[in-house]
Amino acid sequence: EVQLVQSGAEVKKPGESLRISCKGSGYSFTSYWINWVRQMPGKGLEWMGTIDPSDSYIKYNPSFQGHVTMSVDKAISTAYLQWNSLKASDTAIYYCARPTNWYDSTSPPDYWGQGTLVTVSS
Amino acid sequence: DIQMTQSPSSLSASVGDRVTITCRASQDISNYLAWFQQKPGKAPKSLIYAASSLQSGVPSNFSGSGSGTDFTLTISSLQPEDFATYYCQQYRSFPPTFGPGTKVDIK
Repeated sequence: EVQLVQSGAEVKKPGESLRISCKGSGYSFTSYWINWVRQMPGKGLEWMGTIDPSDSYIKYNPSFQGHVTMSVDKAISTAYLQWNSLKASDTAIYYCARPTNWYDSTSPPDYWGQGTLVTVSS
Repeated sequence: DIQMTQSPSSLSASVGDRVTITCRASQDISNYLAWFQQKPGKAPKSLIYAASSLQSGVPSNFSGSGSGTDFTLTISSLQPEDFATYYCQQYRSFPPTFGPGTKVDIK
């Protein structure tokens, strides 16, 4: 069974750093890209970017480039999303997701993580 | 970026009703259109890709149609578990973009 399991909720202060994780199982982790999607409180879905676990090649949505960093540790089948200096506006649920097609990083996801709630407040 | 719009933004319906949600792209996206269902507090669930292809395990009362700029999601007979918010997403052009969502609640 394909599963993406994300790390737990986080509460941080503005200016702090954070890394959240997404562990894949039940499939060949290096064969499929991992997408990240943001959902701000009460709002819709925003596609942040995608990373190829086989070589760590990343495609960022320009709207998010420079604000977050994606990475992966293929030895433990885990992808990461990182912030160096959080802002209150980073408060959101962050989902990792696996595209339907292994060869197409932007194909719509068929498997999603359960989401990680990040709250940034002083 | 390609802008996606949905109508209506919300609707009230009864179990057994036929429900249609419309999604429009700001430019031609061929059939690179997906639909997702999201229930409160849950991750989105993929329903349809390539405008009309059902993801594995999705009930056949869901269907999608359209091409170019105009698309529809139809629920032929609304079930209690179908009350949720529905999002369309284009993946023809980078970056993929989602519509604002359509909330389907109980009349």
